Amino acid sequence: AIQLTQSPSSLSASVGDRVTITCRASQGISSALAWYQQKPGKAPKLLIYDASSLESGVPSRFSGSGSGTDFTLTISSLQPEDFATYYCQQFNNYPPPFTFGPGTKVDIK
Amino acid sequence: QVQLQESGPGLVKPSQTLSLTCTVSGGSISSGGYYWSWIRQHPGKGLEWIGYIYYSGSTYYNPSLKSRVTISVDTSKNQFSLKLSSVTAADTAVYYCARADGVRGVTYFFDYWGQGTLVTVSS
Repeated sequence: AIQLTQSPSSLSASVGDRVTITCRASQGISSALAWYQQKPGKAPKLLIYDASSLESGVPSRFSGSGSGTDFTLTISSLQPEDFATYYCQQFNNYPPPFTFGPGTKVDIK
Repeated sequence: QVQLQESGPGLVKPSQTLSLTCTVSGGSISSGGYYWSWIRQHPGKGLEWIGYIYYSGSTYYNPSLKSRVTISVDTSKNQFSLKLSSVTAADTAVYYCARADGVRGVTYFFDYWGQGTLVTVSS
């Protein structure tokens, strides 16, 4: 099974900061990676798919990059509503086809 | 706008079968290109994909749960369902249904989610 790791596991940041979260796959997955934001008590929300495509309605301060094994999610200027936990997710043809990273919690400094 | 809604008991006794249904509105479950999935999240933990079903009825389960999971679809009701047998306290989690979209991009990702339902396994 392909494993995903995320770093850091948590971070503290201030409004206006540039934030970068990394996701690494144990094997190459081309661009088959998505990013989600989850707030307490809510379902995850899709932010980025195909590693770098912005989901409709998601603010342009969110961006994704990478391919193969290394991926990043960047928030260019952190807003109060962005404090949440972020997960990466991959799809592939090996069982199981879907796996999630362990998450990165972004909280207020 | 596609919406998904989970329903089912919030409390299940150990060794019994957990049963949940996801009702899809705003779109047809029979539309090709989507995998209708179940995902769970243990309290305070990350996300675990349980399995998916295609509208045709073909299924794929997480190997870690495969022996206990059954996912079925009822296209006439625009619903799909999860059964997890022989549950223990370790199956206590929030269960989400979600749609995996394979139409828009080059791969699959979860674009619509239900609100989630907490299922507690306890006697």
